[in-house]
Amino acid sequence: EPEVTQTPSHQVTQMGQEVILRCVPISNHLYFYWYRQILGQKVEFLVSFYNNEISEKSEIFDDQFSVERPDGSNFTLKIRSTKLEDSAMYFCASSEGQNNSPLHFGNGTRLTVT
Amino acid sequence: AQKVTQAQTEISVVEKEDVTLDCVYETRDTTYYLFWYKQPPSGELVFLIRRNSFDEQNEISGRYSWNFQKSTSSFNFTITASQVVDSAVYFCALSEATDSWGKFQFGAGTQVVVTP
Repeated sequence: EPEVTQTPSHQVTQMGQEVILRCVPISNHLYFYWYRQILGQKVEFLVSFYNNEISEKSEIFDDQFSVERPDGSNFTLKIRSTKLEDSAMYFCASSEGQNNSPLHFGNGTRLTVT
Repeated sequence: AQKVTQAQTEISVVEKEDVTLDCVYETRDTTYYLFWYKQPPSGELVFLIRRNSFDEQNEISGRYSWNFQKSTSSFNFTITASQVVDSAVYFCALSEATDSWGKFQFGAGTQVVVTP
């Protein structure tokens, strides 16, 4: 069964550094997303992406965050200058589109900011 | 405001017992979608079931069943004859038609512990 792939599984970075989290969505999916989960808390929406542009973003997704689909397969989340509170599990997801299609999540990247 | 409430923080059962997870949601949309996801200890999020607001038929899929009641805004999920592998955090999620597709609002999750 096709799946969403995320790399790396764990990223450790120092405060103020830039990080790029990478994702390969399911190939025939058109909608892409990033969610995050701070340890022990609920899963929170960050951003949705369709047709090479952001469809919607949450309050969390401020100017420090950006997303990009640099080629036909990858979907990246960049955090320009990491803060301690950015430490979380970041999930990439994709879906076929509307009509109640579910989100298929990757295994996540655990980001630790020290 | 919290749109998805999972009041049960943790449920512990012995293997083979049934376990029901409660989910109460809040929305003004007439069209919305509800989902259950499972997060095992390994951390991934696994899609389990979905339900449209206009389809109140309750179903059974293997050991999983769900009870969607629009009148009480509840979307409860039952695991029958639980197994140790069912130990995980279970999240209920809501997607409203007025939001862009994929903007799911998750509940806080319910930790299910199944002991042998």
